[in-house]
Amino acid sequence: GAVVSQHPSWVICKSGTSVKIECRSLDFQATTMFWYRQFPKKSLMLMATSNEGSKATYEQGVEKDKFLINHASLTLSTLTVTSAHPEDSSFYICSARDSTGQDKYGYTFGSGTRLTVV
Amino acid sequence: AQSVTQPDIHITVSEGASLELRCNYSYGATPYLFWYVQSPGQGLQLLLKYFSGDTLVQGIKGFEAEFKRSQSSFNLRKPSVHWSDAAEYFCALTGGYQKVTFGTGTKLQVIP
Repeated sequence: GAVVSQHPSWVICKSGTSVKIECRSLDFQATTMFWYRQFPKKSLMLMATSNEGSKATYEQGVEKDKFLINHASLTLSTLTVTSAHPEDSSFYICSARDSTGQDKYGYTFGSGTRLTVV
Repeated sequence: AQSVTQPDIHITVSEGASLELRCNYSYGATPYLFWYVQSPGQGLQLLLKYFSGDTLVQGIKGFEAEFKRSQSSFNLRKPSVHWSDAAEYFCALTGGYQKVTFGTGTKLQVIP
């Protein structure tokens, strides 16, 4: 079945630095990937929709200059948290849609990245 | 606008007992519905999904869900819960090639 790999699983960084999170579709091509953020004891909130070869579409209230998304290939999307602050500490999860396969509505999620900014 | 409601924040069941997690949705057309499970510190695992056809959907780990259009519900069931089922469960909805909207989740605790 479809597999999405997310790296790193967890990261601790200093306030003011930038952190890059990778989301890869391992056995399928994903023209669209999604980035979610999960706040403690809350549900997942969509941050942005990443389309291969074009600019990401951000949800209302998400700072596009802070959360940089790049989808340069059909199997890789990256989320870079720039100038991280403690309030950016969260669990970030990506998902990818196999747009060419039979399971085109089956959104597959990565294992998530726990970001802690100190 | 689409929305998903999981009315139960926390549920406790005894091991071996049956389980039903509630999910109600709001959407203007026929939705695509999912149930995901998340263990602590882990990502999301798809349990089952409904797109069309038979309204009773079978998933992994012995779970099933029934789509009831008249009640706008997609409740998750399992006849006999195992201790390893303790986790958080999310109901989700999409209209197709669109974003997925999640419910707030139900945390399942299983007691021996």
